[in-house]
Amino acid sequence: TQLLEQSPQFLSIQEGENLTVYCNSSSVFSSLQWYRQEPGEGPVLLVTVVTGGEVKKLKRLTFQFGDARKDSSLHITAAQPGDTGLYLCALEETDSWGKLQFGAGTQVVVTP
Amino acid sequence: DTGVSQNPRHKITKRGQNVTFRCDPISEHNRLYWYRQTLGQGPEFLTYFQNEAQLEKSRLLSDRFSAERPKGSFSTLEIQRTEQGDSAMYLCASSFRPGRDIPDTQYFGPGTRLTVL
Repeated sequence: TQLLEQSPQFLSIQEGENLTVYCNSSSVFSSLQWYRQEPGEGPVLLVTVVTGGEVKKLKRLTFQFGDARKDSSLHITAAQPGDTGLYLCALEETDSWGKLQFGAGTQVVVTP
Repeated sequence: DTGVSQNPRHKITKRGQNVTFRCDPISEHNRLYWYRQTLGQGPEFLTYFQNEAQLEKSRLLSDRFSAERPKGSFSTLEIQRTEQGDSAMYLCASSFRPGRDIPDTQYFGPGTRLTVL
């Protein structure tokens, strides 16, 4: 079973600052997904990265997939209070047909 | 709204009681998943269905848990003789996956928060 570790566990920043959260796996994975979850709601898919070295941008969010396909990062530029939430990474287990394994998440709080 | 819906949103029960949750997936999604999430953790896989067939169950799913998806549409998750350790958010997700070589995109419902007193 692959292990997914996310860091940091908690991040509190002021509006306008930048932040980066990390996701690391104990072994190579074929694809990785990033979700954001707000209190009392289910996770919402932000992006899926598939190719080693891939960089995807979603407005102020930049997602990077490591060349070795064992790590990924999410960078938020000029964070806003609306970016507050639990950021989760997840990978699809090998030969599982869709079973996702999630990291524990990084709780991000952006204060005005 | 045509997203995944779950009912009830909250359930408070006493230890030993049975509870049942319902999930209505996005229509035409052939795959349906149940996950459990406790405070400070990411969701943990419980089970999934392709159409009406239950294809895999996690070892987290003890014999007190049962899930069904009659007719391949909505699904129910029942917990018998609830224990305090069952308190968690139960999440349902659905997807349509035409082939194994395409990453699965799962759409999550808002969850049912269970509190066992």
